[in-house]
Amino acid sequence: GQQLNQSPQSMFIQEGEDVSMNCTSSSIFNTWLWYKQDPGEGPVLLIALYKAGELTSNGRLTAQFGITRKDSFLNISASIPSDVGIYFCAGTNSGGGADGLTFGKGTHLIIQP
Amino acid sequence: EPEVTQTPSHQVTQMGQEVILRCVPISNHLYFYWYRQILGQKVEFLVSFYNNEISEKSEIFDDQFSVERPDGSNFTLKIRSTKLEDSAMYFCASRTLITSSNQPQHFGDGTRLSIL
Repeated sequence: GQQLNQSPQSMFIQEGEDVSMNCTSSSIFNTWLWYKQDPGEGPVLLIALYKAGELTSNGRLTAQFGITRKDSFLNISASIPSDVGIYFCAGTNSGGGADGLTFGKGTHLIIQP
Repeated sequence: EPEVTQTPSHQVTQMGQEVILRCVPISNHLYFYWYRQILGQKVEFLVSFYNNEISEKSEIFDDQFSVERPDGSNFTLKIRSTKLEDSAMYFCASRTLITSSNQPQHFGDGTRLSIL
């Protein structure tokens, strides 16, 4: 099946620093999504990307859909303590309902005081 | 903001028993999904459901699994004869249908299934 390689696996940063994480795939997706998961909760949608080359922002978060449709990155600017959590990328080829998401293994973001 | 709700939050079951996990998708959503997440691992797709039938399933979704939409609001995942390796978080997700644009999936907070 399709595999997503997400990196880095974990990040230890200081509050106020910028963060960058990315996902790559061996196959094409027509939709890329970024989710955040807090302990004991379900994934919460951060940003959805539907067009190759698309750059979308949501507050301090910015994500891009790679032009080859095989990669995406997520940037977080000026990190704050509530940014701590696990960030997952997910890809799908949506259309007709056959659009189960393929998830990356996640990036653990840890903010040091 | 509308949410996907799942019950129970934690289910403990003896190996070999049947278990039913319940989900109430967001009310105007038409596509429904189940995913699982084994502790410390990534989220894995199980099945998608639309128009009262399965539209896609993964290789994980074998004959011990079944899904049903018994009424206009609930969406259930049944696991027959549970195994130890079925222990995981199970997430329900749903999305709406707008033909002019793609819509993302929204997830519930999950049911933690523990098989003893």
